[in-house]
Amino acid sequence: AQKITQTQPGMFVQEKEAVTLDCTYDTSDPSYGLFWYKQPSSGEMIFLIYQGSYDQQNATEGRYSLNFQKARKSANLVISASQLGDSAMYFCAMREGYGGAQKLVFGQGTRLTINP
Amino acid sequence: NAGVMQNPRHLVRRRGQEARLRCSPMKGHSHVYWYRQLPEEGLKFMVYLQKENIIDESGMPKERFSAEFPKEGPSILRIQQVVRGDSAAYFCASSPDVMSSGNTIYFGEGSWLTVV
Repeated sequence: AQKITQTQPGMFVQEKEAVTLDCTYDTSDPSYGLFWYKQPSSGEMIFLIYQGSYDQQNATEGRYSLNFQKARKSANLVISASQLGDSAMYFCAMREGYGGAQKLVFGQGTRLTINP
Repeated sequence: NAGVMQNPRHLVRRRGQEARLRCSPMKGHSHVYWYRQLPEEGLKFMVYLQKENIIDESGMPKERFSAEFPKEGPSILRIQQVVRGDSAAYFCASSPDVMSSGNTIYFGEGSWLTVV
């Protein structure tokens, strides 16, 4: 079974609009962490945002926020006021367990294209 | 404070040759991870090392691939007798030697291997 599922292979959004990238996960471990990364065409992995399973509030980092719905096992990334530079691949990832090894499982990614 | 350093950034090898990818973790980090990204896919965990020890190699192909993290010097991912299917981006990541939650994993910029 897929541990991380990103159901949107590609998304096209108009500049300045908000965009939601979907991510669902599957784990029986009560302790886990959820990550979002951006991979532009240059290839590097850019960390965007992190949510721990015990965090009470949804994580936010600038224009990025994570819509964490624990019961539904979803961790959607919301980008407000999208910009042309947001065009990239976006990956959701999960770490199971608390601390120790940072062994991440990644989804297949969503290719986001921002249109001017 | 330098980040995770990987080299070479790009490597071209002919089928049957050996590829060596190097990774220097962030200062103060003693845990190293290698991930592989095949074209149009997410990253997949390969191996987790601490100094002089392989902790988890559950993602490593059984043949031709090996990894080490010696007491002195960078971590090395070695691929012997490369085949076209080894063409991929190889990402190294590091984390500190502390038990913690949160985002404590940092990725390098990746090494792109092309087998011709």
